[in-house]
Amino acid sequence: EAGVVQSPRYKIIEKKQPVAFWCNPISGHNTLYWYRQNLGQGPELLIRYENEEAVDDSQLPKDRFSAERLKGVDSTLKIQPAELGDSAVYLCASSLDSREGNIQYFGAGTRLSVL
Amino acid sequence: DQQVKQNSPSLSVQEGRISILNCDYTNSMFDYFLWYKKYPAEGPTFLISISSIKDKNEDGRFTVFLNKSAKHLSLHIVPSQPGDSAVYFCAASVYNNNDMRFGAGTRLTVKP
Repeated sequence: EAGVVQSPRYKIIEKKQPVAFWCNPISGHNTLYWYRQNLGQGPELLIRYENEEAVDDSQLPKDRFSAERLKGVDSTLKIQPAELGDSAVYLCASSLDSREGNIQYFGAGTRLSVL
Repeated sequence: DQQVKQNSPSLSVQEGRISILNCDYTNSMFDYFLWYKKYPAEGPTFLISISSIKDKNEDGRFTVFLNKSAKHLSLHIVPSQPGDSAVYFCAASVYNNNDMRFGAGTRLTVKP
C-alpha cells in the first residue's frame, strides 16, 4: 500500500514569491492534515480536512495561506506571498477514521527555504 | 501554549542498554498518547500508543508507561539498537478527536 505522497520534496524561493505544495493521502483515508514543522520543534497543525470540508483551520494564517482538497482526495497548500519566517518543513498526514484512534500517517514533507 | 513537552532535546545510550524518553503534558483532557519516530528526510512514523485507561502498553522492545496523576509518560526501548537512532516525538490528543499536539522531540543516538 502506497503511503502519503508529497511533492516537491524541496523548494527554494525568494521572499514575496508564491509557492504550492501537493499531497496525495493514503487511499481511503478521509481525514487529511497539513502541519508545519519549524527547526527543533514538533509538527504544528495548520488545517485539517474531513473529506473535502476544512473542519479546523484555526491555525492557518489566512492572509497568506490557503488550502484546498477538491473531491476529498488530493490537497494543495499555497503560500502567497512567502515570507522569510515561512521557511520550515510542511508535512501532510492522513488518517482513516476515529476507529483507529488518532494514528496519523505522514508523508516525507516538503522542505521550504525562503531567501 | 505548549501542551506537550519533551524537556530533553537529546539522549545518547550504548547499544544493548535501555533508552528512556520522557514526555509531560499539561492538558488534563488528553486521554490518548502516541509516540512517533522520525528518521532524517522522512516523515514521522507511528511507533506505539496508549490510552488513559491503561498505565502500560508493550510492543516488542518498546514499552510506553503512563502516569496520569503526574501527567507524564515515558517510552522505554530495551535493548537499544543503533537502528533506533532517530528523533522521537510524543503526541497527545482526546481519543477520537483528531486534534493532536506534538512535543518538540528528543534525538536518540544509540552508539554501537
